[in-house]
Amino acid sequence: AQSVAQPEDQVNVAEGNPLTVKCTYSVSGNPYLFWYVQYPNRGLQFLLKYITGDNLVKGSYGFEAEFNKSQTSFHLKKPSALVSDSALYFCAVREVHSGAGSYQLTFGKGTKLSVIP
Amino acid sequence: SAVISQKPSRDICQRGTSLTIQCQVDSQVTMMFWYRQQPGQSLTLIATANQGSEATYESGFVIDKFPISRPNLTFSTLTVSNMSPEDSSIYLCSVVPQHNEQFFGPGTRLTVL
Repeated sequence: AQSVAQPEDQVNVAEGNPLTVKCTYSVSGNPYLFWYVQYPNRGLQFLLKYITGDNLVKGSYGFEAEFNKSQTSFHLKKPSALVSDSALYFCAVREVHSGAGSYQLTFGKGTKLSVIP
Repeated sequence: SAVISQKPSRDICQRGTSLTIQCQVDSQVTMMFWYRQQPGQSLTLIATANQGSEATYESGFVIDKFPISRPNLTFSTLTVSNMSPEDSSIYLCSVVPQHNEQFFGPGTRLTVL
């Protein structure tokens, strides 16, 4: 079974400072990893994904994430936070395999990011 | 990418009634899913909507409670039947058009009184 842990319910950061939202995962094989953002009263928006290749993945709105296989982590980062980045962030994992369930995503519980002006 | 719309965007329903949520995609997609996001919680997969056959339900979800239709590759419906307050959630449609990216609709916010 696959699982995702987001150890922080909330992250507070000052505008202009770097931000990190943590994510660790567990799968029996190789993972596909994703980050999504949810603004208030909105659906989920795709930010970035790791499938294969470079461990550092760049995504939308200046976000990036680093895949670390030894630590089974996929932390989301941004060099300089904006107030508009304040939202709920979800990490998700899917195990790489074929079959009917191959597209099932398992989500973390979410981390609320608050960027303080 | 895929543009996904859902109807209704929100609704307030009485206990014991049913609500059908529609999901429309702007392109043909093979894989379509329905998720539930309970208040303050993460997303949980309800089922995979299969075109031309019965949906595949995850553990804890049954067809009698959440019947799903998938008449073609751009459209699906999810019905929440015999609703109770515990069904109050956001229901999201999701698709995987290509390149392993999974996109989500804006969600339907359901409140059951």
